[in-house]
Amino acid sequence: NAGVTQTPKFQVLKTGQSMTLQCAQDMNHEYMSWYRQDPGMGLRLIHYSVGAGITDQGEVPNGYNVSRSTTEDFPLRLLSAAPSQTSVYFCASSQNPGERGTEAFFGQGTRLTVV
Amino acid sequence: SQQGEEDPQALSIQEGENATMNCSYKTSINNLQWYRQNSGRGLVHLILIRSNEREKHSGRLRVTLDTSKKSSSLLITASRAADTASYFCATGGMVGSYIPTFGRGTSLIVHP
Repeated sequence: NAGVTQTPKFQVLKTGQSMTLQCAQDMNHEYMSWYRQDPGMGLRLIHYSVGAGITDQGEVPNGYNVSRSTTEDFPLRLLSAAPSQTSVYFCASSQNPGERGTEAFFGQGTRLTVV
Repeated sequence: SQQGEEDPQALSIQEGENATMNCSYKTSINNLQWYRQNSGRGLVHLILIRSNEREKHSGRLRVTLDTSKKSSSLLITASRAADTASYFCATGGMVGSYIPTFGRGTSLIVHP
């Protein structure tokens, strides 16, 4: 199984450009989420989805859009890239964790630089 | 804001020694997880402990949870150079969202 696949692995954008970070999982997981990781800040939740057609905002959603048209895919769109969005982006998926919780599976990350 | 905060931020030990990392959190939780991240890679799940559990073991890992103090600890026994990584706690199961919330992590270096 591929697990969670993120593309691209690296990307350089100019300020104002838009792009889509791709995330796909082959485990039939209901929950998918996007985090960004900055030095000294840990992982911060951007957006998440609890199933196809359902998305919600996390801690730092501004400047990002998501959609979930299929169970497998959860793309993250940067509408107008800004230098503050330079970061490493991680996609994760899991079964419905509920109160008991469950393991989240992470992709390898996309390192984005906005110049 | 992040729910969990790890302590210390950085830890440097010799191979064979034990490594202890702590996590404190702010609000009530239903479960707490520990993850590991090797440099330049994604996070990998290590262990999950639920709010009605006090201790859990997995190989060389021992996790404790004290809900009265809102804290957890991760102990890695007989550490190896390959344990060099960042370790994160993630709290979950809060009402309204089951998505785990991560702390800033502890960077562990194990010297051979």
